[in-house]
Amino acid sequence: NAGVTQTPKFQVLKTGQSMTLQCAQDMNHEYMSWYRQDPGMGLRLIHYSVGAGITDQGEVPNGYNVSRSTTEDFPLRLLSAAPSQTSVYFCASSYGGGYTEAFFGQGTRLTVV
Amino acid sequence: DAKTTQPPSMDCAEGRAANLPCNHSTISGNEYVYWYRQIHSQGPQYIIHGLKNNETNEMASLIITEDRKSSTLILPHATLRDTAVYYCIVRVASGTSYGKLTFGQGTILTVHP
Repeated sequence: NAGVTQTPKFQVLKTGQSMTLQCAQDMNHEYMSWYRQDPGMGLRLIHYSVGAGITDQGEVPNGYNVSRSTTEDFPLRLLSAAPSQTSVYFCASSYGGGYTEAFFGQGTRLTVV
Repeated sequence: DAKTTQPPSMDCAEGRAANLPCNHSTISGNEYVYWYRQIHSQGPQYIIHGLKNNETNEMASLIITEDRKSSTLILPHATLRDTAVYYCIVRVASGTSYGKLTFGQGTILTVHP
């Protein structure tokens, strides 16, 4: 098992560019989430999904889109990058039911200039 | 989800027990206490969780007070590799909450040689 895999690990974007952060898990987990972490702060929830075809907004969804066409993948799209989106992004997945441990990827460090 | 309060930082000598407190005085009856840690900007790692009984696993012990208003995470023999930010999270373990974790500032634990 690879667990939760995020790509790329590092990315530099210019203001206004778009890009997609990839997240894949091979544990057949129903629940997947995206978080961002700014320097010296805890993680904040951007979007989450409770299964293929179902997504919902978290605490800080503005400027981000998600879709969940398969159980394994949960990409995060930045439509028009802004310097305020400079952050470290973490993807997580969990089984749900009685198994509520969340597994996190290693993060994508994004810089918008 | 109930709000949690943790000390911003703690120190511990290597080989000694590290006791990390968490206050969650507004916890509801169906909310669990979870602990995660984040080592040097890696993705957070699940440690343990509990409802009202004390819990122990290979990583740590969780002691929850009888009134459930506070808890303590115990690392019985801290090592240098336990230096990390420790997050105490309280949430309902059902429904769509599986995909959502609310992170506070956490406690920075520094283990000294």
